[in-house]
Amino acid sequence: GDSVTQMEGPVTLSEEAFLTINCTYTATGYPSLFWYVQYPGEGLQLLLKATKADDKGSNKGFEATYRKETTSFHLEKGSVQVSDSAVYFCALTPYNFNKFYFGSGTKLNVKP
Amino acid sequence: SAVISQKPSRDICQRGTSLTIQCQVDSQVTMMFWYRQQPGQSLTLIATANQGSEATYESGFVIDKFPISRPNLTFSTLTVSNMSPEDSSIYLCSVVGGDYTDTQYFGPGTRLTVL
Repeated sequence: GDSVTQMEGPVTLSEEAFLTINCTYTATGYPSLFWYVQYPGEGLQLLLKATKADDKGSNKGFEATYRKETTSFHLEKGSVQVSDSAVYFCALTPYNFNKFYFGSGTKLNVKP
Repeated sequence: SAVISQKPSRDICQRGTSLTIQCQVDSQVTMMFWYRQQPGQSLTLIATANQGSEATYESGFVIDKFPISRPNLTFSTLTVSNMSPEDSSIYLCSVVGGDYTDTQYFGPGTRLTVL
């Protein structure tokens, strides 16, 4: 069935370091892919999305490219800030948005 | 993006009691979902709230324990019945459709502690 696998955390980085959080997926057809962020004590916020192969989603300095050939949607940021400390979830919806699948979440800690 | 509110934002309850969580969205949406997020865990879908018909429950969740209402296209409630400490979680509602057709948006969550 459809599923999302993302790298285990926590990930600890120093401020201004480069960030990569890996996400791979299994799905039939052509899913839409998402990254959500959850700050402490809050709900999930949409960070970025991509709806077809080779699309690049971007927001707040974060980027992810929909790679169908490797079934991946890795999250990257060139220079992280302390305020980026949060839990990041990769997710997919296989079709017509009536079901979503989430990865296990990756906690990011950024130290000053 | 969608503006979604949940009430209450948090509560502490005694075992054996029930709590009803409300979810309100700022415009009509096609689908509303209820998730549970246990401490340090990912999201688990409880059910899809269907307007005008019974909710669709995921495996492991039953209507007697988690009754859901959806009286219109902007509002839904989730009740956690006969609570036990294992029900301590964050409960999140989310929406898709209407003005928000291509993304799932989440409410801020209800943090429930059962003693």
